[in-house]
Amino acid sequence: GAGVSQSPSNKVTEKGKDVELRCDPISGHTALYWYRQSLGQGLEFLIYFQGNSAPDKSGLPSDRFSAERTGGSVSTLTIQRTQQEDSAVYLCASSLDPNYEQYFGPGTRLTVT
Amino acid sequence: AQSVTQLDSQVPVFEEAPVELRCNYSSSVSVYLFWYVQYPNQGLQLLLKYLSGSTLVESINGFEAEFNKSQTSFHLRKPSVHISDTAEYFCAVSAPGGSYIPTFGRGTSLIVHP
Repeated sequence: GAGVSQSPSNKVTEKGKDVELRCDPISGHTALYWYRQSLGQGLEFLIYFQGNSAPDKSGLPSDRFSAERTGGSVSTLTIQRTQQEDSAVYLCASSLDPNYEQYFGPGTRLTVT
Repeated sequence: AQSVTQLDSQVPVFEEAPVELRCNYSSSVSVYLFWYVQYPNQGLQLLLKYLSGSTLVESINGFEAEFNKSQTSFHLRKPSVHISDTAEYFCAVSAPGGSYIPTFGRGTSLIVHP
């Protein structure tokens, strides 16, 4: 079956531009997570969705970051007015149950020049 | 809230040697424990998990981990590593009935030399 997919796989953008990153979770997975992974760093939690609602947005680093999920499926992470420190790999994961194992997408590598 | 500590940021080892990647956690409630592996330029994938039952869990490629409640540890071991095991390994913990946000360790880079 299809796994978690993310698009684009790579994104290069100029400082100050907005970007949208997309995540398609595994069908039927109600829990969806976004993480950020900087070079040589671990995973930084950004936001968690249960269905279409986001009970925990505590990891979003600033108000330039926002995310939504529609139809209990696709999620979009939007970064406005990108800064160089936003450069990282953005990983999406989905799970059948929020406490069970997560299935990760391949990530989107964002480079802000 | 729970926390995870991976004591080694990097573990170099020769091919066919045994290896242990250490993971300690803290939590005030019972936990589920996971090891994930991340190969270069890929997302993470589940290696093995402990939810309940036998404290020794195994993966299909020869790794095993043992849940030790008294020592709050979940160390990952393999008796003989291959070059292809070179990757980043992450330990993670979740607390059923608590926060729905799993906590990940900072990762251990396993480097297998020929």
